[in-house]
Amino acid sequence: KAGVTQTPRYLIKTRGQQVTLSCSPISGHRSVSWYQQTPGQGLQFLFEYFSETQRNKGNFPGRFSGRQFSNSRSEMNVSTLELGDSALYLCASSLGFGGRHYGYTFGSGTRLTVV
Amino acid sequence: KNEVEQSPQNLTAQEGEFITINCSYSVGISALHWLQQHPGGGIVSLFMLSSGKKKHGRLIATINIQEKHSSLHITASHPRDSAVYICAVDNTDKLIFGTGTRLQVFP
Repeated sequence: KAGVTQTPRYLIKTRGQQVTLSCSPISGHRSVSWYQQTPGQGLQFLFEYFSETQRNKGNFPGRFSGRQFSNSRSEMNVSTLELGDSALYLCASSLGFGGRHYGYTFGSGTRLTVV
Repeated sequence: KNEVEQSPQNLTAQEGEFITINCSYSVGISALHWLQQHPGGGIVSLFMLSSGKKKHGRLIATINIQEKHSSLHITASHPRDSAVYICAVDNTDKLIFGTGTRLQVFP
């Protein structure tokens, strides 16, 4: 069965631009969560979507947003990019909301570089 | 102080050695996860624990809820075990991550 698919794998953007990242969960999984990984801050939770609704959010500015479609695919958008947004963005899918009952399956990530 | 602390930060071992990575946390949790990240960036979930002990092949994970501590053990380590191992706790339906332990196993 196909794993969690993130596209694109690599992206280079200029400061001030916006970017959209995509995550396709494992078939049947209804929850998608997003994470940012940087050398300085490590892995941090961004937000989680379940049944097209944002159910939980981390401590990130409003420039970071997301959405989930009826087929459970999710997109994450970052507007007005800053150099500090350069990071590996990972998504994970789960059968239900919150991974504590079902566990998480992670994608390979999108590496975003802001220049 | 971080809510999830891992030790050691870096670990070097010879093939065949027994490895232990520790994780302590200071928040209430509903589950604890051990994750493996290879240089390409992708993360593999190794274990999800809420009590006791789990074993999968050469990997063993234990958790002590009262002491807020978990350990990941690798028996008979192999160079292919070289990776970053990350402890993460499920707190109010979101994951809080440790800073990771970078393991290198030499032949």
